[in-house]
Amino acid sequence: SYELTQPPSVSVSPGQTARITCSGDALPERYAYWYQQKSGQAPVLVIYDDNKRPSGIPERFSGSSSGTMATLTISGAQVGDEGDYYCYSTDSSTNPRGVFGGGTKLTVL
Amino acid sequence: EVQLVQSGAEVKKPGESLQISCRGSGHSFITNWIAWVRQRPGKGLELMGIIYPGDSDTRYSPSFQGQVTISADKSISTAYLQWSSLKASDTAMYFCARSLNPTVTTGVDYWGQGTLVTVSS
Repeated sequence: SYELTQPPSVSVSPGQTARITCSGDALPERYAYWYQQKSGQAPVLVIYDDNKRPSGIPERFSGSSSGTMATLTISGAQVGDEGDYYCYSTDSSTNPRGVFGGGTKLTVL
Repeated sequence: EVQLVQSGAEVKKPGESLQISCRGSGHSFITNWIAWVRQRPGKGLELMGIIYPGDSDTRYSPSFQGQVTISADKSISTAYLQWSSLKASDTAMYFCARSLNPTVTTGVDYWGQGTLVTVSS
């Protein structure tokens, strides 16, 4: 079955740029979506269609996709950005199935 | 305002049946997919399946096919997730979420608050 691969953890200091990657064979043909989940809360969409930001999401969150890798970039990361981040996409079959990446724990300290 | 409101926490014994619900408001319930997502304690998000309430087209992720049943009643804007025989390994938080648009390959935007299901003898 289709898989999306993320690094288990990323750590940056406040004000630095955090980059979280997501690799998958179908990403050249499918959009990537990114979700932030803080402890005990429902996930929140932070990037959709590879690089679009929903209303209310700070401009420091951006997304890009090239080849088989999508990247979530948090420019000037803040302590409040700590949490788990998940990418989501679908396979390239004619009956597509969605899948989440394994998640990346972002630490800002 | 788009809202998805899920039913409350459940404590069940192994072998029991269960149905949890997700009621939508503030949007056209029948023109977006509704996804069910499992999150076991301390683990990541797992897509269980999706349903299009407009015509009840349902797609299951391979790991969940035959393990659960997803359904919807468009007349009351509610989606359901059902188990016929629970196992301890079904203990998890379950989220429903709405797709951004009617395309089956799209992601979700709005999420329910989650329903905690605990299965223990």
